[in-house]
Amino acid sequence: SQTIHQWPATLVQPVGSPLSLECTVEGTSNPNLYWYRQAAGRGLQLLFYSVGIGQISSEVPQNLSASRPQDRQFILSSKKLLLSDSGFYLCAWRSGGGQFFGPGTRLTVL
Amino acid sequence: SQKIEQNSEALNIQEGKTATLTCNYTNYSPAYLQWYRQDPGRGPVFLLLIRENEKEKRKERLKVTFDTTLKQSLFHITASQPADSATYLCALDMNPGNTGKLIFGQGTTLQVKP
Repeated sequence: SQTIHQWPATLVQPVGSPLSLECTVEGTSNPNLYWYRQAAGRGLQLLFYSVGIGQISSEVPQNLSASRPQDRQFILSSKKLLLSDSGFYLCAWRSGGGQFFGPGTRLTVL
Repeated sequence: SQKIEQNSEALNIQEGKTATLTCNYTNYSPAYLQWYRQDPGRGPVFLLLIRENEKEKRKERLKVTFDTTLKQSLFHITASQPADSATYLCALDMNPGNTGKLIFGQGTTLQVKP
């Protein structure tokens, strides 16, 4: 069966520090992968999606970037975090039309 | 741009009753409309998908309707239980054959009281 992993589960970082969040999927190949952010009390905002290795599409201009170095690995990065980057970051993959989400990373930027 | 409206006010119902949640959208009808459940501190869980040429879809105690004329989907939970308490998100997939990108509503919180 398919499984999606995200780490870390929680992260507290100072403003201006770098960020790297990792997402890996097991049990499938060549999945469409997605990064979302959910601010407190808000809906899910699509940040990036990828249809294959090295293929990244950005949805919202910001100081974040994404990479897909391997088929089942999706990484979200930032060189310098802003306070507004705080939120709940979710990775998802697509199967049969629906999307299946990881456990998420709670990021707090202080 | 496409917008989705879900009732931001929490829906409180008594156990055993039917809960009905509404999802309205503007502009073009999506090819697929999806419903997800999200518990606090967790990622959303996919529940049901309905296509634009389908009027109704059922899964156990769940029923989804899709009216492209009204630009509305209704999500019903029959015989509701306290364990059904969660936030329910509506999502539109405008182009499922390509990227599969979803546009999510902000969700409606359901509270089922025993």
